[in-house]
Amino acid sequence: QSALTQPASVSGSPGQSITISCTGTSSDVGTYNLVSWYQQYPGKVPKLMIYEVSKRPSGVSNRFSGSKSGNTASLTISGLQAEDEADYYCCSYAGSSRYVFGTGTKVTVL
Amino acid sequence: QVQLVQSGAEVKKPGSSVKVSCKASGGTFSRYSISWVRQAPGQGLEWMGTIIPICGVANYAQKFQGRITIIADESTSTAYMELSSLRSEDTAVYYCSRDPGNGCNYGYYFDYWGQGTLVTVSS
Repeated sequence: QSALTQPASVSGSPGQSITISCTGTSSDVGTYNLVSWYQQYPGKVPKLMIYEVSKRPSGVSNRFSGSKSGNTASLTISGLQAEDEADYYCCSYAGSSRYVFGTGTKVTVL
Repeated sequence: QVQLVQSGAEVKKPGSSVKVSCKASGGTFSRYSISWVRQAPGQGLEWMGTIIPICGVANYAQKFQGRITIIADESTSTAYMELSSLRSEDTAVYYCSRDPGNGCNYGYYFDYWGQGTLVTVSS
């Protein structure tokens, strides 16, 4: 099972919107609406930001939103803030009781 | 509030095994799944396996098949991950995480995470 493909880095200015893509295959992202996203600061524990493609857990800012089209899921951060600078990982259910994570994207706030 | 507390850092020799524990508090341990995810230095997250205590079923990533064992002790609300035949590439932070499934079903995401356990494999 290969990792889902994410851009290595995405950057934006404060207040802008950015989108992080997560490309899988018809065996994972394309088949299941079971994509989640995690935010991770350096040296810290990952935090759930989005689950089931577009649902936000309680306490997560509504500036974070998720979507999916075909084999590609996306995480959009609107109104970018300095505190959003972190690494972001997507994860998809891949069938047969397996999960696969994305390669990770470093978000930089200019 | 669910809390997952993991055992401390380990230093192991190549070829040996390591067993990491993850003690849960809050919630009902047997009602959800526990997954193990690792992160090598400077690298991304990698799913290793998941156990559903109430079903007594553990599923593993193909990459670790034959080297990994995940068990759960419901009496102490503790999950364990043992990885054998360690090599230098296994040096990583190992996380346990909760998958809020119900019964024998996955929840399909990880909402609570342990603090991580650094395992260093070095001769």
